[in-house]
Amino acid sequence: GEDVEQSLFLSVREGDSSVINCTYTDSSSTYLYWYKQEPGAGLQLLTYIFSNMDMKQDQRLTVLLNKKDKHLSLRIADTQTGDSAIYFCAESHDYKLSFGAGTTVTVRA
Amino acid sequence: DVKVTQSSRYLVKRTGEKVFLECVQDMDHENMFWYRQDPGLGLRLIYFSYDVKMKEKGDIPEGYSVSREKKERFSLILESASTNQTSMYLCASRGTGNDEQYFGPGTRLTVT
Repeated sequence: GEDVEQSLFLSVREGDSSVINCTYTDSSSTYLYWYKQEPGAGLQLLTYIFSNMDMKQDQRLTVLLNKKDKHLSLRIADTQTGDSAIYFCAESHDYKLSFGAGTTVTVRA
Repeated sequence: DVKVTQSSRYLVKRTGEKVFLECVQDMDHENMFWYRQDPGLGLRLIYFSYDVKMKEKGDIPEGYSVSREKKERFSLILESASTNQTSMYLCASRGTGNDEQYFGPGTRLTVT
């Protein structure tokens, strides 16, 4: 099966940038996704990137994709307390998604 | 406003009970999914359905079954609940192509 790995925890100071990293194994993935899960809620799609792109920017979010190394990252600029959540990386295969374990981001004042 | 709803937010059942988790989506999506979420393991796919009455096993189908009699509704069934099925269960739906996968709020099931 597909494997998606990401670190479990990240602590960042309010106003700093957060970088969440992810590695995946399925080189045939066409899309890669970042989802956010706030406490007590389901997952919400933050952004996605097509596999033939290197970078995608959307306001405070920047996604970088290194397809050769199968490495995906999400950068959140000017991190706010509302960014505290669990962030999941996911890759698509057919119409299924494979998720990483999730990175818990804690924003401290 | 798109919606995926799940029948319960919290559920407590006894070992051996039959458990039904219901999921309804209002987006006319073909594809529906059931995941379980456990700390440190992320989301693992239990079953999915790509059409009415169609189902396919995901990565961890053992101990579960599903039913999709109508397009908008996808049920997850635990025939005989066990304590290792204590978890958060998330339902999702998705249209064709690269449509976003929308998630329900989750059902936290505790089996005692």
